Amino acid sequence: EVLLVESGGGLVKPGGSLRLSCQASGFTFRKFDMNWVRQAPGKGLEWVSSVTTDSSYIAYADSVMGRFTISRDDANNSMYLEMNSLRDEDTAVYYCARGVKHFDYWGRGTLVTVSS
Amino acid sequence: EIVLTQSPATLSLSPGERATLSCRASQRISSGLAWYQQKPGQAPRLLISDAANRATDIPARFTGSGSETDFTLTITTLAPEDSAVYYCHQRYNWRSTFGQGTRLEIK
Repeated sequence: EVLLVESGGGLVKPGGSLRLSCQASGFTFRKFDMNWVRQAPGKGLEWVSSVTTDSSYIAYADSVMGRFTISRDDANNSMYLEMNSLRDEDTAVYYCARGVKHFDYWGRGTLVTVSS
Repeated sequence: EIVLTQSPATLSLSPGERATLSCRASQRISSGLAWYQQKPGQAPRLLISDAANRATDIPARFTGSGSETDFTLTITTLAPEDSAVYYCHQRYNWRSTFGQGTRLEIK
């Protein structure tokens, strides 16, 4: 069974930092592109970042470019999102999702709240 | 950036009726469109990939169609459990965008 489990969310002050993790199981992690998608309270889905297999290509949404860093550790079946200079508008549930052109498996998400 | 525009924003239908949801892309994207269903408090669930391919375990009453800039998700014989928000999604040059969603309410 494919499982994606996010962790690392919490309450952080504006300007602060947080590191999210996504632990994968049930599939050959290194063979799949991975992604972060977020959803602000009561809002729609927003793509955040993607990393291809072997980290050969990385992309970010303009809203997080220069502040967030995506990475993966294929040996540990894990993906990460390092978030710096956090803003109020980064408050959201952050999902990790597997896939290239479409995202076929999603985790349950981890809530990040940016507030003073 | 490719913008996806979904319509209508909200749809209210009765059980047994047919729902037609639209997604329009600001640029031609061939068949590179997916549809997701999201229920309150849950993660999105893949319904359709590559515009028309039903995902695993998705009932046959969910059908995707279209290409290039105009896409449609059709749900026939609506059931109460179809009440959800539906999103379209594309990924081009490793960058993804989502539509703003269509809320489907089953009366």
